[in-house]
Amino acid sequence: GAVVSQHPSWVICKSGTSVKIECRSLDFQATTMFWYRQFPKQSLMLMATSNEGSKATYEQGVEKDKFLINHASLTLSTLTVTSAHPEDSSFYICSAPLTSGSGETQYFGPGTRLLVL
Amino acid sequence: SQKIEQNSEALNIQEGKTATLTCNYTNYSPAYLQWYRQDPGRGPVFLLLIRENEKEKRKERLKVTFDTTLKQSLFHITASQPADSATYLCVRGDTGRRALTFGSGTRLQVQP
Repeated sequence: GAVVSQHPSWVICKSGTSVKIECRSLDFQATTMFWYRQFPKQSLMLMATSNEGSKATYEQGVEKDKFLINHASLTLSTLTVTSAHPEDSSFYICSAPLTSGSGETQYFGPGTRLLVL
Repeated sequence: SQKIEQNSEALNIQEGKTATLTCNYTNYSPAYLQWYRQDPGRGPVFLLLIRENEKEKRKERLKVTFDTTLKQSLFHITASQPADSATYLCVRGDTGRRALTFGSGTRLQVQP
């Protein structure tokens, strides 16, 4: 099956610093990728849709200046958490869709756990 | 807004039994529902997709149903094994929107 990777898998940073998370589709191209955030024992919440060659689309309530998204190529999207604060600590997951004969399936990365001290 | 509701309480069953997880949706029917498995600290893994015009789908020990009257999907794991212990997420997909709407998941614990 299709593989999506994320890097790093976990990161600890000081409050006020910026953190970049990479999402890569390893064996297929993705013009669109999705970024989610998941707090403990809660559902995945869509943050934004990353579009290759154009601006990302952010969900209501997500600050685009705080969560910078760059879809640099057909296999790479990055999420940068700028001026991170402890409340940004969460599990960040990306996904990329792949269309096959049975329809479109989202393939998820393994997630990145962010802890802001 | 479209919501997906799953029983937040954990489901504990004995090995070999059939596990049945429930997913309810609000408002209009989604174009399709998907079920994912998520292990702690990992991203979701796709299991099954069922479309609005399908009543049932099977894959090995897994079965999923879609009841548009009850606005409900049931996810069954037959002959359950301890390795099936995980959180199972019900997800709705809507026409014209590629992003998915996730339920909060139901944790399944299969006792040996």
